Amino acid sequence: SAVISQKPSRDICQRGTSLTIQCQVDSQVTMMFWYRQQPGQSLTLIATANQGSEATYESGFVIDKFPISRPNLTFSTLTVSNMSPEDSSIYLCSVEGGRLTDTQYFGPGTRLTVL
Amino acid sequence: SQQGEEDPQALSIQEGENATMNCSYKTSINNLQWYRQNSGRGLVHLILIRSNEREKHSGRLRVTLDTSKKSSSLLITASRAADTASYFCAFSGGYNKLIFGAGTRLAVHP
Repeated sequence: SAVISQKPSRDICQRGTSLTIQCQVDSQVTMMFWYRQQPGQSLTLIATANQGSEATYESGFVIDKFPISRPNLTFSTLTVSNMSPEDSSIYLCSVEGGRLTDTQYFGPGTRLTVL
Repeated sequence: SQQGEEDPQALSIQEGENATMNCSYKTSINNLQWYRQNSGRGLVHLILIRSNEREKHSGRLRVTLDTSKKSSSLLITASRAADTASYFCAFSGGYNKLIFGAGTRLAVHP
């Protein structure tokens, strides 16, 4: 498996502000993904972070709200912009590829509360 | 919705009993994975079963896959209090994107 870290692990933010979440993996991977888990719910894919190009967003998610960067094969960031209380969720990154074939491994998550 | 369905939504058992969780999906899949999540933390990968496999074992875990019925089950044998968690199935139909089931909350009582 891979060692995946996320920063911050949790944060409490004010409405209207933005938060950038970092995801770091200990080996080069082909695919990196960002998921959202709303309170008491399952996981929903936000986007696929593509190295060297724009992220691929799922229906219902847009770049202006969730800009994503992936400068190399081991690191990605997700920004939650202009936050509202509805953005309170756990945000998780996952990785696949490289020496991790087929299986997706998840980071520990970032618990975001927006007041 | 493409989201998988899981049942039961919640399961409460005593230590030593077996726990069975079921997952159904609607599309063709390449593989199906099961994950565990403790108290809203990150997901721990449990097992992956490919579309051409019917059964897989890992320790106390047994996973079956029936592609004709588009369903999978996770069996935890001889459960322990430490197995208390939420369990999710997730399937991949293409482009490595995972679609998650709604999850089963398992409580194992000492």
